Amino acid sequence: NAGVTQTPKFQVLKTGQSMTLQCAQDMNHEYMSWYRQDPGMGLRLIHYSVGAGITDQGEVPNGYNVSRSTTEDFPLRLLSAAPSQTSVYFCASGWINSPLHFGNGTRLTVT
Amino acid sequence: GNSVTQMEGPVTLSEEAFLTINCTYTATGYPSLFWYVQYPGEGLQLLLKATKADDKGSNKGFEATYRKETTSFHLEKGSVQVSDSAVYFCALSHKLSFGAGTTVTVRA
Repeated sequence: NAGVTQTPKFQVLKTGQSMTLQCAQDMNHEYMSWYRQDPGMGLRLIHYSVGAGITDQGEVPNGYNVSRSTTEDFPLRLLSAAPSQTSVYFCASGWINSPLHFGNGTRLTVT
Repeated sequence: GNSVTQMEGPVTLSEEAFLTINCTYTATGYPSLFWYVQYPGEGLQLLLKATKADDKGSNKGFEATYRKETTSFHLEKGSVQVSDSAVYFCALSHKLSFGAGTTVTVRA
């Protein structure tokens, strides 16, 4: 069972570069979300989606875009990377108000 | 708004010691409560959950009881093992608000 698949596992970017973090789930979950994890700050919600075509901002959305054209995929785009976006990013999916299933994370470094 | 306050770590214990991690929450309505565990280099996994007041969630020797009167969901384990070394997160449904995480290290 694939569950939630995130790619890439590691990425190094230069300031100003753009990239897309991929997230796919094969459980037909309606809810998908992106978090970033920073030391001492726990998990902070970036963006989330409650279904295809529906997205909304979380706690720290600035500098990130998302789209949800299919139930399975929820990519996170960094339009112009900044050192402050160095973090570990987690994608998660689930049913609303139920436990989430997490991917294994993407470690991003912006120099 | 909804929020979770979790005991700060890090916590270091010897094997077979008793572990408690405090978690309190603020929420409107009747949220579900969760504890997640993150082992080194991995994503988060659900450890246990409780969906209504007085429910007790349990898994792998860990327990937590949903206490509406004290708005708490403290995690406990009676005898920890080295393999329990991880980061533990308390979480609230309604957009899944997470606590800051508590790093637990168990020494042999």
